[in-house]
Amino acid sequence: NAGVTQTPKFRILKIGQSMTLQCAQDMNHNYMYWYRQDPGMGLKLIYYSVGAGITDKGEVPNGYNVSRSTTEDFPLRLELAAPSQTSVYFCAIKGQGNSPLHFGNGTRLTVT
Amino acid sequence: GQNIDQPTEMTATEGAIVQINCTYQTSGFNGLFWYQQHAGEAPTFLSYNVLDGLEEKGRFSSFLSRSKGYSYLLLKELQMKDSASYLCAVRSEGGANNLFFGTGTRLTVIP
Repeated sequence: NAGVTQTPKFRILKIGQSMTLQCAQDMNHNYMYWYRQDPGMGLKLIYYSVGAGITDKGEVPNGYNVSRSTTEDFPLRLELAAPSQTSVYFCAIKGQGNSPLHFGNGTRLTVT
Repeated sequence: GQNIDQPTEMTATEGAIVQINCTYQTSGFNGLFWYQQHAGEAPTFLSYNVLDGLEEKGRFSSFLSRSKGYSYLLLKELQMKDSASYLCAVRSEGGANNLFFGTGTRLTVIP
């Protein structure tokens, strides 16, 4: 998925550890999003940003934090990892108007 | 709130036609999207409807009825590579026009 780069691809965390999921884009889009996807549950919005310096909560923000200091980067922070945060995390970007979301390749996170 | 319903699983035969339905009840509406997602991969955009009617794009078509809160994705001349999950998503009004997803329909194409 050209334009959106997520790192790492996979990660295993112990309960209580912290980590940052990275998302970088090179398409100069203002809108960026973090979703998590659990089996049978669909994609749930965690946080989103409409531009540098602006972030807001989505449907399931608890246990996460974000920042948007530049247009290019939108990192997602887990402070105290819990097993309930085991999921696949997708970062997405969107252009102006009714453009579709364009997703990164995802980060598969396991918390044990 | 947002409520988006679609069947969990469907099976269809190679070469056939399949219709995947999606019903929605949302607090605002600013368009409906369909995405395809192969196992272990990211969702990719298929189609977008904001007005009532049918949008055709090659083997794939998508229909919307706003008054009924209903959409379907039609896949023609099914191929084995069409085996994937199909995600229905509704864009809200106002604010950041966020996209809310259904749980997805897993389609299996059999020979």
